[in-house]
Amino acid sequence: DGGITQSPKYLFRKEGQNVTLSCEQNLNHDAMYWYRQDPGQGLRLIYYSQIVNDFQKGDIAEGYSVSREKKESFPLTVTSAQKNPTAFYLCASGNRDRETDTQYFGPGTRLTVL
Amino acid sequence: AQSVTQLDSHVSVSEGTPVLLRCNYSSSYSPSLFWYVQHPNKGLQLLLKYTSAATLVKGINGFEAEFKKSETSFHLTKPSAHMSDAAEYFCVVSAQFKAAGNKLTFGGGTRVLVKP
Repeated sequence: DGGITQSPKYLFRKEGQNVTLSCEQNLNHDAMYWYRQDPGQGLRLIYYSQIVNDFQKGDIAEGYSVSREKKESFPLTVTSAQKNPTAFYLCASGNRDRETDTQYFGPGTRLTVL
Repeated sequence: AQSVTQLDSHVSVSEGTPVLLRCNYSSSYSPSLFWYVQHPNKGLQLLLKYTSAATLVKGINGFEAEFKKSETSFHLTKPSAHMSDAAEYFCVVSAQFKAAGNKLTFGGGTRVLVKP
């Protein structure tokens, strides 16, 4: 898991509520990423940020929002517009140049909608 | 465009026997290729990485992978399986153009079962 922390480890949400997942890294990485993992589907990219105050949509951004006010932090908000939010959420960070383009992952947050 | 296919969704081996996890990829650019391992309810841990240096890449925990451009393959092997190798393994390819922000494309995963 390296220097990436995610909290909480488990999160329960009622339908109609927004929730925010925390991701912090102390690896001095420029880029940060949010992925969603569902059983049997691998990982899908939700949002990514290559630099502070900038972020781009990934493949499944609908119903999610992010901010990148600090280099170390990239919180993800799961809004009530996300129709099926129950999943395992993974945050990653990395650098952009070819020689060091490895992404390092946090331990994950399991979100369950009740 | 790029894609990754892991040819086996499940692999079962006996402890002490070799492990082979198969991965084929397609990429319009010179790819970086990775293998990650995920234990239940944990994040992904990097096993090894290929970036156009040596085609045989050695990783952690006795794993290695061979990049074969002619076959567009990056299979993962280990000579002798250990009980702690039971996990899910992901083959991953990275886009090499900076505009993509090093987006990763994941294979569907291979779940490894190790029998005593």
